[in-house]
Amino acid sequence: AQSVSQHNHHVILSEAASLELGCNYSYGGTVNLFWYVQYPGQHLQLLLKYFSGDPLVKGIKGFEAEFIKSKFSFNLRKPSVQWSDTAEYFCAVTPPTASNTGKLIFGQGTTLQVKP
Amino acid sequence: NAGVTQTPKFRILKIGQSMTLQCTQDMNHNYMYWYRQDPGMGLKLIYYSVGAGITDKGEVPNGYNVSRSTTEDFPLRLELAAPSQTSVYFCASSRRLAGGDNEQFFGPGTRLTVL
Repeated sequence: AQSVSQHNHHVILSEAASLELGCNYSYGGTVNLFWYVQYPGQHLQLLLKYFSGDPLVKGIKGFEAEFIKSKFSFNLRKPSVQWSDTAEYFCAVTPPTASNTGKLIFGQGTTLQVKP
Repeated sequence: NAGVTQTPKFRILKIGQSMTLQCTQDMNHNYMYWYRQDPGMGLKLIYYSVGAGITDKGEVPNGYNVSRSTTEDFPLRLELAAPSQTSVYFCASSRRLAGGDNEQFFGPGTRLTVL
């Protein structure tokens, strides 16, 4: 079945470490790609999005992601994490068949714990 | 703007009871969505709507119903609550911008427990 996969389910880092969270999808054609973050006790917020143009996109709070079409990937990166980045991170895709409805297919999520 | 609001924030139901989860957005978005979030499973789409009077099923619609009589409101109805419906429910809305940008804005969620 077509899907969105996040490889890391639980990541523990120390402050100032670099972060990379993997996201792969299995849809062919044109896709819209998103990373959402859910801080403890809060609702989902958009970190960044890609729907066309430069495949390296920059989001809020120093996050960036690179769309590599040949690898069907959209990995999230941050050079130096902070304790306040502790949260759950979701990759999401709008597949080509859902372009008229904007539906999102989510990955399983990655819990990031940053130790001070 | 309040954005997307949901009520209630928490609810405990007994098996077989019914309830309606309310969702309202004040951004004049045409598109609205209901998701459920289960631990380790990400978010799954229950139902969605592309405009008033138009609704359709998502990935996991069984046991739920929706209606969309106005642009602002998109209530989710559980008719016969079952333990499998214990979850956190999120409502979201979006507008379709030029170029296909369909960023969704999420509400704070409703935590539902069915005992």
